[in-house]
Amino acid sequence: GQSLEQPSEVTAVEGAIVQINCTYQTSGFYGLSWYQQHDGGAPTFLSYNALDGLEETGRFSSFLSRSDSYGYLLLQELQMKDSASYFCAVLDSSYKLIFGSGTRLLVRP
Amino acid sequence: DAGITQSPRYKITETGRQVTLMCHQTWSHSYMFWYRQDLGHGLRLIYYSAAADITDKGEVPDGYVVSRSKTENFPLTLESATRSQTSVYFCASRPDRGQGETQYFGPGTRLLVL
Repeated sequence: GQSLEQPSEVTAVEGAIVQINCTYQTSGFYGLSWYQQHDGGAPTFLSYNALDGLEETGRFSSFLSRSDSYGYLLLQELQMKDSASYFCAVLDSSYKLIFGSGTRLLVRP
Repeated sequence: DAGITQSPRYKITETGRQVTLMCHQTWSHSYMFWYRQDLGHGLRLIYYSAAADITDKGEVPDGYVVSRSKTENFPLTLESATRSQTSVYFCASRPDRGQGETQYFGPGTRLLVL
């Protein structure tokens, strides 16, 4: 079977750093993606890791360890607008994305 | 307008009726997908298509039918709607392998089955 595990909810303070973890078990693996979704909106792409290591895009970074079937999304200098749901997703052997259940991030003043 | 669009954006229907949700993309992306999103379940794949005239089942295909006669369109039909199909439906597209890893989502269709 295929499964992705991520925390259901995380709370952090504005200006802080937060890490959202994702572990996966899938049949076939091309890479790990992260998507952001604000309430009432559509998911939007944040990052993609095909190889082990850290990818940085502005305040957001994403990490992958293929041997541990593990990745994380790191958000720095948190802003109120970062309050949203964050989904990890595996690109599997059929080249389709399988999503986790999402982590709801609440940024407090 | 360039991008990926869905229609209708909101739909109320009754149990047993047939409903078709439309999805259109202007990028000529090879891959197109239909997901449903329910509270606590994230995004679950219903059907996907790797190219025109090629479709395949996802995680939750029962009760749904898709077709892809043209690259840019990927309609989803609920043959006989049930209350359990009340959900938010997202269409998405992505380019072919090796041409980019971003998957683009439409704005969603909010479907209520009474």
